[in-house]
Amino acid sequence: ETGVTQTPRHLVMGMTNKKSLKCEQHLGHNAMYWYKQSAKKPLELMFVYNFKEQTENNSVPSRFSPECPNSSHLFLHLHTLQPEDSALYLCASSQTGVRGEENSSPLHFGNGTRLTVT
Amino acid sequence: GQNIDQPTEMTATEGAIVQINCTYQTSGFNGLFWYQQHAGEAPTFLSYNVLDGLEEKGRFSSFLSRSKGYSYLLLKELQMKDSASYLCAVMDSNYQLIWGAGTKLIIKP
Repeated sequence: ETGVTQTPRHLVMGMTNKKSLKCEQHLGHNAMYWYKQSAKKPLELMFVYNFKEQTENNSVPSRFSPECPNSSHLFLHLHTLQPEDSALYLCASSQTGVRGEENSSPLHFGNGTRLTVT
Repeated sequence: GQNIDQPTEMTATEGAIVQINCTYQTSGFNGLFWYQQHAGEAPTFLSYNVLDGLEEKGRFSSFLSRSKGYSYLLLKELQMKDSASYLCAVMDSNYQLIWGAGTKLIIKP
């Protein structure tokens, strides 16, 4: 039980499809994150939300669109993806400082969505 | 650029001790994290070091030397369930987490 739930666990989609990944955290944290994890590569930070405001967008292509309706829920909307976007997409949450900076509070991750783009 | 280096894969024997090294070059330093990730599961937090020295937590210990840009994770009395990937991450001066690619640890009976 990680306190962070992601659905679906697995997703196969064609390049013309539109799908959404969902994340929910039950830890009362004020920050949520999307990460991309590819085999044998470091975790890539995609988006950060602090107090529902997006504070980070690491040059992610517009075919990935995040949405954070409240501090407990986070979505990643996908459209016209490419095969190289196939990866494990991890959601995480943490309790950040007052100004939104990250501190020593560790990240709590969900089990991820294994995405395959065909 | 910022960089975290850790071995890609290590093998050890059940009951033994293994040390997983992590070296880093970052813009500033605000702490180093170790996470464990079993295949198909979420990374889970293991340890946090911000001052030099050894932090012990049961069978796991983590060491930090800021002057050398170096940390290690020490696992004692290895068990089969310790087979996992171990991720090293450093928080830089902008409070951004810089991640290593992870070390896959294989435990053999």
